[in-house]
Amino acid sequence: ETGVTQTPRHLVMGMTNKKSLKCEQHLGHNAMYWYKQSAKKPLELMFVYSLEERVENNSVPSRFSPECPNSSHLFLHLHTLQPEDSALYLCASSQQHGTEAFFGQGTRLTVV
Amino acid sequence: EDQVTQSPEALRLQEGESSSLNCSYTVSGLRGLFWYRQDPGKGPEFLFTLYSAGEEKEKERLKATLTKKESFLHITAPKPEDSATYLCVVTGTASKLTFGTGTRLQVTL
Repeated sequence: ETGVTQTPRHLVMGMTNKKSLKCEQHLGHNAMYWYKQSAKKPLELMFVYSLEERVENNSVPSRFSPECPNSSHLFLHLHTLQPEDSALYLCASSQQHGTEAFFGQGTRLTVV
Repeated sequence: EDQVTQSPEALRLQEGESSSLNCSYTVSGLRGLFWYRQDPGKGPEFLFTLYSAGEEKEKERLKATLTKKESFLHITAPKPEDSATYLCVVTGTASKLTFGTGTRLQVTL
């Protein structure tokens, strides 16, 4: 596999469920990102990890919890979400923090 | 605060009708300006990086140019498969990626 891979591609979860999104990059990059994309809005940065350390956390609710166990993997743990959290969640990686990012195909999340 | 403004918000072209998309930006210490293409429901696909005013990059029917205040994405003789949303992104000394809201391009036969 090459590039940035996200699983699952689609996820429907109830407000009381706990689920996790997974991202894996095969590019040898040192930075990884989680973005949220809602309809007709620009991408919203959620978290940035550089060399496995969280360097940015943009006032994201605690019901979203990131984890970066190594430079190739990134997780987003979800619990007690709200319907307004329904969106496309995108993972990206870049050689260094702030350089051109390469995106996965996203996870379409629907909270019911 | 870094800002990116893209225009027009939406553009409809006939096949073969060339045009340009605009990206105006303000950033502290430009380190790079990136163009992406995004198809509905998918992640953005990287197209180009421009680093300094006067630089140009080309890929098939697309050509990106950069000045100190704006970037243009020129589309020559577009085809229906060029239909997508085109995103402009800047990064500066703060190492933060700032995204524009995109231009939705539709190319019809």
